[in-house]
This record gives sequence, C-alpha cells and structure tokens, in this order.
Amino acid sequence: RKEVEQDPGPFNVPEGATVAFNCTYSNSASQSFFWYRQDCRKEPKLLMSVYSSGNEDGRFTAQLNRASQYISLLIRDSKLSDSATYLCVVNRGYSSASKIIFGSGTRLSIRP
Amino acid sequence: SAVISQKPSRDICQRGTSLTIQCQVDSQVTMMFWYRQQPGQSLTLIATANQGSEATYESGFVIDKFPISRPNLTFSTLTVSNLSPEDSSIYLCSVEEGATRANEQFFGPGTRLTVL
Repeated sequence: RKEVEQDPGPFNVPEGATVAFNCTYSNSASQSFFWYRQDCRKEPKLLMSVYSSGNEDGRFTAQLNRASQYISLLIRDSKLSDSATYLCVVNRGYSSASKIIFGSGTRLSIRP
Repeated sequence: SAVISQKPSRDICQRGTSLTIQCQVDSQVTMMFWYRQQPGQSLTLIATANQGSEATYESGFVIDKFPISRPNLTFSTLTVSNLSPEDSSIYLCSVEEGATRANEQFFGPGTRLTVL
C-alpha cells in the first residue's frame, strides 16, 4: 500500500461544477500537508497548504481529517483553466524534504 | 517565492554518456533538492544538495550515478551518469521556503531527458 494514495481519475466535469478529491495517508505522524497543481509538461506548483482548521482560497477549499487520515480539496465553480493534475503532498517530519511524499496525482479535466 | 531556472530545458543523449543539469536560484536558500519524475509517475526525491558538504541521497539513489554539486547557496548541479533509456525522465530541482515546519517547496521548470 502506498503511503499517500489518490484516485488517479480522470475526473471529467462540466465548467461551473463543483468537484472534490480526497487523498489518504498512512503515517499518522505526518505533520504537514499540501496540494500542488501540475499542468501538462510543467513543474508542480504549490496550490495551497492544508491546515488543521481547514482553509479556503477563493474557489478552493482544503480540509484535513487527522482521525481518518485524509485531506481533501474542493473546487467550486470550476473553470476550464482548472484542468490539471492535482498532487497531494504529505510531510512526515519537520523541515526535512526526505520525509515529503508525493501522491501520484488526480487528473481533472473541465469541459465547456 | 524564489525564482528557479534550470538548464538545459531538454536534451537527448546517447546511452553511456552523462548529462549535467544546472539549477540557479535568484536568492540564497539553505535547502535545495533534486527530484525525478518518470513518465506518468509522481515525483521521487533523489537527494538533498547540501552547501559545503556531500549530498544526502535517498534509498535507491547513489552518488556514483547521480553526483551532485552545491558550491554556494544559489546554485546546484545534478549529473546523471552512464545513461540508459531507463533514465529518460524529467529532472526537477526545488527549494524549500519558510522557517516553520510547514515548509513549502518551489520547483524549477524541469529538464526533460531522453536517452536513446
């Protein structure tokens, strides 16, 4: 079983729809959590950090459920430009990249 | 956030040769990292490039195959040696920002390597 698991998708939704992804992690000692976005043939870019209390940035909402060991990303009013692969990232430790684990990504395609 | 550049952006190399990838950051950073992203896969950390000391390699990666230099706080190189087709991948450098434990990583644009 992978330490960080995501549904690979693809999720194919119409423009304007709301879409949500989950990501589960197996190491209960994990400390910090992130969502990255990766466009085709581009580098990953940080979308948002995920805080225990949940956080919102415009149309994007991220939540953390430590009890069930998952994080989620909700995209409201989806735009064509939201089409990308969304990577769940979990940091198992403090300030150490060797403890950062990338999920394999969830592909999202928004159709007109 | 830091601006990161990589050279070359892509290359096609023959089996048995080596490729050196450069990563330049526009500010001084303590932590620089090298990742590999194979086709259709997520990112795998190769090593942490430490300034003034040897790089720290992850399991499955060795210095002879992936020698790394970190001569100062803004620059690093990764060499992929004795190339084989299995080395065809995207190689990305990244830096870590933030003094808190919730450090966030920022990536260079990547180097796309094809080995024939």
